[in-house]
Amino acid sequence: AQSVTQLDSHVSVSEGTPVLLRCNYSSSYSPSLFWYVQHPNKGLQLLLKYTSAATLVKGINGFEAEFKKSETSFHLTKPSAHMSDAAEYFCVVIPYNNNDMRFGAGTRLTVKP
Amino acid sequence: DSGVTQTPKHLITATGQRVTLRCSPRSGDLSVYWYQQSLDQGLQFLIHYYNGEERAKGNILERFSAQQFPDLHSELNLSSLELGDSALYFCASSVGSKEETQYFGPGTRLLVL
Repeated sequence: AQSVTQLDSHVSVSEGTPVLLRCNYSSSYSPSLFWYVQHPNKGLQLLLKYTSAATLVKGINGFEAEFKKSETSFHLTKPSAHMSDAAEYFCVVIPYNNNDMRFGAGTRLTVKP
Repeated sequence: DSGVTQTPKHLITATGQRVTLRCSPRSGDLSVYWYQQSLDQGLQFLIHYYNGEERAKGNILERFSAQQFPDLHSELNLSSLELGDSALYFCASSVGSKEETQYFGPGTRLLVL
C-alpha cells in the first residue's frame, strides 16, 4: 500500500536559519507526491508537487523538495525560515492511477524570533 | 483563496442529530473530494466524486453519505452523530480524476456535544 511517513512531528528553527522537513514514502510505482501547508484555522494550501518531470521541485514561498528514489524520500527544504512559515506541513502521496490522497501525520514547524 | 467554497464554517449540534455540509468546487473542476481531519486520526480521505459519480471510497462510515449534483456542488451528510465525529471536514476539487492536484476549501468545523 502506498503511504508516507513524516519523520518529525515537530520541528523548531530560528528565523533566518534553514528548514528541513523530512518525508519518506512507500510506493510500488512512481508516485505523485505533494507538500501542503496548513496555517492555524485555515485550509490546506499546495506548496509543491512532484510528478516525475524533475527531481528537484520548486514551490511557493521559497520552498523546494527533492525526490530521491534510492532513498524513497521527498524532503522539504527552505534556505531561510520566516516567521510566517510557522504552520503544519503535510507530505502527501497519490497512488498510481488513483486520486485519493494519503496524508502523512504532519510536521508542526515553529519559527523562533 | 483556492476557489473552493464550503458552508457552513462552523456547526454545533448534539449527538444523534444529522447535518449536511456543502461544497462548491472551483469553476471547471469535475472532481470533488471529502476529507476528515481530527486530532486522533489526522487527515483521512472519505470519498471522491467525479462528474456526479462516486469514484472512490476511503474511511467513510456507513452513517455518512455524500452526493455530487448536476451543477457539480457536493454535499456530505452525517447522521446519528457521535461525539467522535467532531472534526474539521474539508472539501477539495480537481479538474480530472487521476493523480491531479487538489485544491482545498477552508473547511467546516463540526462540534458534536
